[in-house]
Amino acid sequence: GENVEQHPSTLSVQEGDSAVIKCTYSDSASNYFPWYKQELGKGPQLIIDIRSNVGEKKDQRIAVTLNKTAKHFSLHITETQPEDSAVYFCAAVGPYEKLTFGTGTRLTIIP
Amino acid sequence: NAGVTQTPKFRILKIGQSMTLQCAQDMNHNYMYWYRQDPGMGLKLIYYSVGAGITDKGEVPNGYNVSRSTTEDFPLRLELAAPSQTSVYFCASSYRDRNEKLFFGSGTQLSVL
Repeated sequence: GENVEQHPSTLSVQEGDSAVIKCTYSDSASNYFPWYKQELGKGPQLIIDIRSNVGEKKDQRIAVTLNKTAKHFSLHITETQPEDSAVYFCAAVGPYEKLTFGTGTRLTIIP
Repeated sequence: NAGVTQTPKFRILKIGQSMTLQCAQDMNHNYMYWYRQDPGMGLKLIYYSVGAGITDKGEVPNGYNVSRSTTEDFPLRLELAAPSQTSVYFCASSYRDRNEKLFFGSGTQLSVL
């Protein structure tokens, strides 16, 4: 089955700097890659997603890139702010519409 | 719109007890899901439903049961609670495509002692 690996598990960046979280997936047939943000005490919330026919997608300070050949995708957050502190999960939807989550990255923004 | 509502938020069970975790959504979504989240393990799918009257097993269904009698409600039943079921449980829903653009509830933290 699909395996999604996420790195790093923890990340601290200075406010205003950029943060990058990387994920790799194992099944080349995977075609949909969402990113979820989970704030303390809350459920995950979809922040951006990308399909396999697109290489990059941006939404204000957030962008996701996808490299199908290498089977990896990344989340980029620019001009980080304190409210960006959260746990971020990548995920992939592979064959038979199965959704597999990564193990999460705890991002801390240092004021 | 309240979105996805889960109750209770916290619960402590003794080994062998049973309980039902409630989940309701008011977005008229077709798909509903139950996940459990363990530290450092991401989210694991327990059960899902593609519509009223239709449910199916996910990755970790043992020890759980579900039903979906209406579009809005998707309760999760724990029978004979075990310490291994200590976890945070999330209910989610999505509208048109299975496993795309999930809306999550705020979770139920369950401890089995």
